[in-house]
Amino acid sequence: DGGITQSPKYLFRKEGQNVTLSCEQNLNHDAMYWYRQDPGQGLRLIYYSQIVNDFQKGDIAEGYSVSREKKESFPLTVTSAQKNPTAFYLCASIYSQGAGKETQYFGPGTRLLVL
Amino acid sequence: GESVGLHLPTLSVQEGDNSIINCAYSNSASDYFIWYKQESGKGPQFIIDIRSNMDKRQGQRVTVLLNKTVKHLSLQIAATQPGDSAVYFCAENPPGNTPLVFGKGTRLSVIA
Repeated sequence: DGGITQSPKYLFRKEGQNVTLSCEQNLNHDAMYWYRQDPGQGLRLIYYSQIVNDFQKGDIAEGYSVSREKKESFPLTVTSAQKNPTAFYLCASIYSQGAGKETQYFGPGTRLLVL
Repeated sequence: GESVGLHLPTLSVQEGDNSIINCAYSNSASDYFIWYKQESGKGPQFIIDIRSNMDKRQGQRVTVLLNKTVKHLSLQIAATQPGDSAVYFCAENPPGNTPLVFGKGTRLSVIA
């Protein structure tokens, strides 16, 4: 069963704690993305990676970090510097960014809540 | 303090009627456009796409229209059903090696 998986579905963070959200894809896609979605709002780009061992900041990268050690995996860490982390986090991937005319696919999302 | 975001625009339609959801895109050089449907608590799902060399494309019960002159994209849903209730996003592919740019979204509410 191919696609993008995100885990966990729900994640709770204590104040001052770093938490890591998982994103895995078996679509052989080069580019992967992390978005944040607040209630009733659109998608905001946090980080993206076009190739293994390389990534770029999106519009709201502060308080977040990522790694891309494997093509299939693009974990997102929400650090304690992110003061308002409660949101729905979406991972996405595309075969190759910049090639154009290719559909970007999304995972099911992780909802992060602060205790 | 916490910023207050804008609420999504909402379109309410009667079951069985046709729905038209509009989107204004920003870059006149964008060459590819996608519509996504997002149900509550789920990730966005691909509905239909269109390339800039076309002005209309039809799928099953959905049609996308592209007007490059005014940078406008629309999604038409025929015979709207309760299962069509969701938030709909448009996305454009700008020139160069940059990520997709997403619109703010429209919430479609189907009245049975």
